Amino acid sequence: GAVVSQHPSRVICKSGTSVKIECRSLDFQATTMFWYRQFPKKSLMLMATSNEGSKATYEQGVEKDKFLINHASLTLSTLTVTSAHPEDSSFYICSAPKGGADYGYTFGSGTRLTVV
Amino acid sequence: GQQVMQIPQYQHVQEGEDFTTYCNSSTTLSNIQWYKQRPGGHPVFLIQLVKSGEVKKQKRLTFQFGEAKKNSSLHITATQTTDVGTYFCAGSSGNTGKLIFGQGTTLQVKP
Repeated sequence: GAVVSQHPSRVICKSGTSVKIECRSLDFQATTMFWYRQFPKKSLMLMATSNEGSKATYEQGVEKDKFLINHASLTLSTLTVTSAHPEDSSFYICSAPKGGADYGYTFGSGTRLTVV
Repeated sequence: GQQVMQIPQYQHVQEGEDFTTYCNSSTTLSNIQWYKQRPGGHPVFLIQLVKSGEVKKQKRLTFQFGEAKKNSSLHITATQTTDVGTYFCAGSSGNTGKLIFGQGTTLQVKP
């Protein structure tokens, strides 16, 4: 199978602080990871594409200075929400393609961020 | 930019009834994928369709990809309570690998 481990699963932080979310591909190498944000009962909004060894590509409207993405190795991508505010509270989830039509994209279990 | 529209947003059915969700893209897709997300969970890959007019089946689930590769559907025959969840289609075009998700259809099944 293909497994992407994401943590933390839940985090509560104070306004103005930064939070780092990690995604690791456990049994395959992920040269690319995708970061999504999901609001309650809503769809997944693509935020950015994380590429190993190069800069992330951000979708229109996503602040790259606020959502810092690093993809330092073939198995690890991180998303740091900087200077978090209550409006950043959301469900953040990463995904990576393992390759092959039978696998699709494997998602992490998601991180529920609450900014108070 | 590319948009993927999915309807209906919600569907309540009696156990044993059929269910269908439809997906339309504003652009021609290179492939379309379907995912299921249970409440509180993360999306889980169901299937990928690549060819124009392709039809694939997984037990009670039938997936179709339109001839123009701009629309798709998922049909569940004789729903069961285990089918409860939100079904998303996700389209990919070009070679970026980016998946653009539809809004999802949340299925409730009454026993």
